[in-house]
Amino acid sequence: GEDVEQSLFLSVREGDSSVINCTYTDSSSTYLYWYKQEPGAGLQLLTYIFSNMDMKQDQRLTVLLNKKDKHLSLRIADTQTGDSAIYFCAEHTGTASKLTFGTGTRLQVTL
Amino acid sequence: EAQVTQNPRYLITVTGKKLTVTCSQNMNHEYMSWYRQDPGLGLRQIYYSMNVEVTDKGDVPEGYKVSRKEKRNFPLILESPSPNQTSLYFCASSTWDSDTGELFFGEGSRLTVL
Repeated sequence: GEDVEQSLFLSVREGDSSVINCTYTDSSSTYLYWYKQEPGAGLQLLTYIFSNMDMKQDQRLTVLLNKKDKHLSLRIADTQTGDSAIYFCAEHTGTASKLTFGTGTRLQVTL
Repeated sequence: EAQVTQNPRYLITVTGKKLTVTCSQNMNHEYMSWYRQDPGLGLRQIYYSMNVEVTDKGDVPEGYKVSRKEKRNFPLILESPSPNQTSLYFCASSTWDSDTGELFFGEGSRLTVL
């Protein structure tokens, strides 16, 4: 079966880097995603990585994928108060019906 | 503006009183899905639809029904709500033509069943 796990909470100071981790169990995942949920809103796609990649960088965001350990991480450089949100990792196994979400990590950015 | 619209956004109801949460998307997406979000459990899929008149159960379908008579609409029906269905519900849609499989989410419907 598939199970995507994340730590529930992370607190960082403004300007520091944040690293949010995720582990998954389905080795057949094709895409892995990071979604962001701001207070009172739905989820929005933040970034994604294809399963044959190890790393993807997009401005302040760096996604690292370790397929051997089934570990995905999201690094946010120079974290800002506007980055405070819940971050969900998700895995996509080839059919749209199977997008499995993690439990979500609440990122709190303090001044 | 491309969007997924859910109604109502907030609802308090009582056990056993049938209710429907509507979902509509204006992006001509084939795929639509309902999720519920609960603390510590993340998002769990309730039902999904691959296209008009094609629906299937997700991971937690008990106590829910759906229909897909038109491409743009995918209502979630709670025939006899119970307190354990108190949750935050999200509708989402996507297209098969997407390179990334990105899901577009509505803003959520917070349901309380007393």
